[in-house]
Amino acid sequence: DVKVTQSSRYLVKRTGEKVFLECVQDMDHENMFWYRQDPGLGLRLIYFSYDVKMKEKGDIPEGYSVSREKKERFSLILESASTNQTSMYLCASSLLAGINYGYTFGSGTRLTVV
Amino acid sequence: GEDVEQSLFLSVREGDSSVINCTYTDSSSTYLYWYKQEPGAGLQLLTYIFSNMDMKQDQRLTVLLNKKDKHLSLRIADTQTGDSAIYFCAESIGSSNTGKLIFGQGTTSQVKP
Repeated sequence: DVKVTQSSRYLVKRTGEKVFLECVQDMDHENMFWYRQDPGLGLRLIYFSYDVKMKEKGDIPEGYSVSREKKERFSLILESASTNQTSMYLCASSLLAGINYGYTFGSGTRLTVV
Repeated sequence: GEDVEQSLFLSVREGDSSVINCTYTDSSSTYLYWYKQEPGAGLQLLTYIFSNMDMKQDQRLTVLLNKKDKHLSLRIADTQTGDSAIYFCAESIGSSNTGKLIFGQGTTSQVKP
């Protein structure tokens, strides 16, 4: 069964910490995405990547960075965590569009910044 | 910019039909999607419809697309308690090289026995 795996289901971090959220997919997908999900706001795109070492800003990139050194792994980095980054973070992957059958999502990481 | 709108809540009795509605703005969308999110989980692709179709049926699910009004709906027949979840509508946008999706806010559907 194809999978997108996020390394942690729950994380609690302190304000100012550097936080790494890891995502790995085993489907050889070109595209990978990071979203955050907040009640009433739906999913908001933080960053995406459609190739190794390539990244594009989404709608809310401020306070975040990403790394894609290998095709299967896409990391989201919170350089200095703040309480307003408390959220559910969802990673997704997909084939290149043109054969667009939608995303496969990970189970999510619920991050609490205290 | 592109936008997808959904109502936030739906309450339905077990055995009845559920209808979840969505409006979108990008008339060039190639595909439109419905995702389901169960509590504590990620999103799962339920179904999708290609933009040149008006309707798609898959077991208990029926998707209707009105391109003129940019309106998409998901009908779930014989709703079960396991259908309680958040349902997200999404549209594909941008060039064919990015595969970006824009999601609605999600409709929380509560099924009552």
